[in-house]
Amino acid sequence: DGGITQSPKYLFRKEGQNVTLSCEQNLNHDAMYWYRQDPGQGLRLIYYSQIVNDFQKGDIAEGYSVSREKKESFPLTVTSAQKNPTAFYLCASSIVSEHGYTFGSGTRLTVV
Amino acid sequence: GENVEQHPSTLSVQEGDSAVIKCTYSDSASNYFPWYKQELGKRPQLIIDIRSNVGEKKDQRIAVTLNKTAKHFSLHITETQPEDSAVYFCAASRDSSASKIIFGSGTRLSIRP
Repeated sequence: DGGITQSPKYLFRKEGQNVTLSCEQNLNHDAMYWYRQDPGQGLRLIYYSQIVNDFQKGDIAEGYSVSREKKESFPLTVTSAQKNPTAFYLCASSIVSEHGYTFGSGTRLTVV
Repeated sequence: GENVEQHPSTLSVQEGDSAVIKCTYSDSASNYFPWYKQELGKRPQLIIDIRSNVGEKKDQRIAVTLNKTAKHFSLHITETQPEDSAVYFCAASRDSSASKIIFGSGTRLSIRP
């Protein structure tokens, strides 16, 4: 699936719950990114990681958390502090020196 | 922080005509400008990119131009076809190991038969 896999494809969350979105890549890319996509607002950066055990906040990090314990994996947790989590979430990876992103197929999260 | 503005938000052109999407960026240190195409329900895919040491780049029916002085860049699609219908995103970043790509808000391109 293009070397970067997101799961699940659809996810439903109840109010007050934390949920974790999975992102795994086998491209040997150093950098990984999480973006949120809302209609008419393009792609907004949540968190990114250039190297294992290190990550940086993006523009809309509040209510989200990440970890980067392995090069291949960059899971995103949507916490109950995120007030409007319904969105399409895209994970991407890249070789740091080359910039071109490879995107996963996305997870559509809906709060019910 | 860095901001990328993209216009128009929607664009409808007759099949065979040309389409132009324009973007401006705020960070003068930006030197890498990719364009992504996202078809309905699919992931964004890189279609063309340009670096700041180049003013124009072409790949078949797609071309991108860059004006560093004015801090704007554009995507040109000629001889449009139905399969060009998609959302297109411009983006900008600095060429450093700590960089991240900032995306525009997207343009929904529709090709009329």
